[in-house]
Amino acid sequence: KAGVTQTPRYLIKTRGQQVTLSCSPISGHRSVSWYQQTPGQGLQFLFEYFSETQRNKGNFPGRFSGRQFSNSRSEMNVSTLELGDSALYLCASSLESQAEAFFGQGTRLTVV
Amino acid sequence: AQSVTQLGSHVSVSEGALVLLRCNYSSSVPPYLFWYVQYPNQGLQLLLKYTTGATLVKGINGFEAEFKKSETSFHLTKPSAHMSDAAEYFCAVSNTNAGKSTFGDGTTLTVKP
Repeated sequence: KAGVTQTPRYLIKTRGQQVTLSCSPISGHRSVSWYQQTPGQGLQFLFEYFSETQRNKGNFPGRFSGRQFSNSRSEMNVSTLELGDSALYLCASSLESQAEAFFGQGTRLTVV
Repeated sequence: AQSVTQLGSHVSVSEGALVLLRCNYSSSVPPYLFWYVQYPNQGLQLLLKYTTGATLVKGINGFEAEFKKSETSFHLTKPSAHMSDAAEYFCAVSNTNAGKSTFGDGTTLTVKP
């Protein structure tokens, strides 16, 4: 069974630009969560989508948004990029009833 | 509300020695608890989880953890460290499914030959 796939793996953007990251969950998983990981702040929860609806949201500004499609694939968008948005963005998928998250390898975003 | 505290951001052990990584949690409802391992430039891999039932949980790679409600702890142990165990370890708590987990700050484990 294929794991969680995140694309692209690496990305370099300029301040002020916007970026879209993609996550394909494990087949059959309907819950997709996004996390930001930085050396200073650790792993921080961004949001969770389940059946195309945002179910949980962390404490991030409105520049961070996401969506989920009917096939459970999810995208995360960051607008007006700031230097502090440089991070590893991790996506995780899970079955509603299984209480276990499977993580992708992440997208390393560098903002210059 | 829920939170996780991992005691010790860096732990160093010799190969063959006991590994003990500490995790304390707070949760307003019975928690689900997890330990994940992360290798450089990789995502997180689940080591083990506690949801309900037996409080001693065995995971992959010889790791185990014990849920102690009275101490609000979920420490991770391995009897004998291997060089390949060197990585960063995260404890996480959730009160429903794993869709919204709160992670600790992580503990970097170094294994000396």
